[in-house]
Parts: sequence; structure tokens; C-alpha cells
Amino acid sequence: QKEVEQNSGPLSVPEGAIASLNCTYSDRGSQSFFWYRQYSGKSPELIMFIYSNGDKEDGRFTAQLNKASQYVSLLIRDSQPSDSATYLCARPRKTGNQFYFGTGTSLTVIP
Amino acid sequence: NAGVTQTPKFQVLKTGQSMTLQCAQDMNHNSMYWYRQDPGMGLRLIYYSASEGTTDKGEVPNGYNVSRLNKREFSLRLESAAPSQTSVYFCASSEALAGGTDTQYFGPGTRLTVL
Repeated sequence: QKEVEQNSGPLSVPEGAIASLNCTYSDRGSQSFFWYRQYSGKSPELIMFIYSNGDKEDGRFTAQLNKASQYVSLLIRDSQPSDSATYLCARPRKTGNQFYFGTGTSLTVIP
Repeated sequence: NAGVTQTPKFQVLKTGQSMTLQCAQDMNHNSMYWYRQDPGMGLRLIYYSASEGTTDKGEVPNGYNVSRLNKREFSLRLESAAPSQTSVYFCASSEALAGGTDTQYFGPGTRLTVL
């Protein structure tokens, strides 16, 4: 099993809907997770991180971490066409300043 | 404050040629990284430098060398380019957040094609 797994999609949602992106991980001891957004042809940019069980909200974005089930989700409320991008899930490795990245989920918001 | 900068943005090489990708950050970060990104493969770590003067191999180091010139600059060298090294290369740097959890900031990328 990969360290961090994501469904590559593509995921399509209508404008105004809630987009739900999921990431599962294999190491039960993982403490923190990061969500990056990557527009086509651009570099990844951090959206938010979460390191405790439960929900963390930032504007239209909510990250959810469920350590018992080993998944982390990103919810995007009131989805906009500008949210169309690939979303990468990542977590730090235990040793060294390294990260495991998922392969990303492609999201398209349809106007 | 430019963040992380990379040069060049695009490059085409012939098999066997060499080149160096440059990266600099102005955020006073200790750690710097080189990744490659290929379709369906995600971001894969080539090399990283936890601090000035240190470098370590990542997942896919073969065919590459790195130099941490100073705290700001981290370069990636391809000694003898191969078509398999056609990819998008990202440099990143990281800071330690409260609790010791790092986040990474990425440069704009270099799109390399090896013919």
C-alpha cells in the first residue's frame, strides 16, 4: 500500500456544489497532513494543513482528519470554476525533512 | 519577497548533454528539496538538503547530483541527460511550524525535455 493514496479522478462537480476530495494513508502514526492545490502548468501551493483529529475550517475549505480510519478529506463548499485544479495530499515522513505526496485528484467545477 | 525562484523555466537537451538547474529562496528556510513530477507518478523526491552543508538522497537520485551552495541556493545537476529525465522539476523549501511540522513552498518549476 502506498504511503498516501488518492483517487486520481477526474472529479466533476457543478458550480456551487460541495467537492469532496479524499486521501488515505498507511501509517497509523501519522500526525499531520497537508493539502496542496496545483493549477495546470503551475507549481503546488499550500491550501491548508491539519494535525489533529476532527475538522479544520478555512473559508470555503474544510479539512477533516480521521485517524482511526486513516483518511483525510478536503471539502470545498460553494465550488467555483476557479477551484478547478489538481489537489495533492501530503504528509511528512517521520525522519528527515521529507514528505510523502499522493498522486493528486483532478477536480473540475462546471459552470 | 520572491519566495522560491528557479531557472531556467524551460530547457531542451540532447541525450548526453549536461545542465544545472538553479534554485534560490529568500525566506531564510533551512531545508530545500528537488522533486520531479511525471504524469500519474506524483511528486517524487530526488534530493534534499536539511541544512546548509548537508545533502541526502531521496526516492529517485540516480542520474542527478546536487549542491547546497549556501543557505539560499540549491542546485540540481544532470551530468549526462537521458530521455527518461524528461519531466517537470520543482524546487521547494520548508520552514518548521509550531510543533515541528514542516510545510513546503514550491518554485515555479523547470520543464525539461531530453531528446
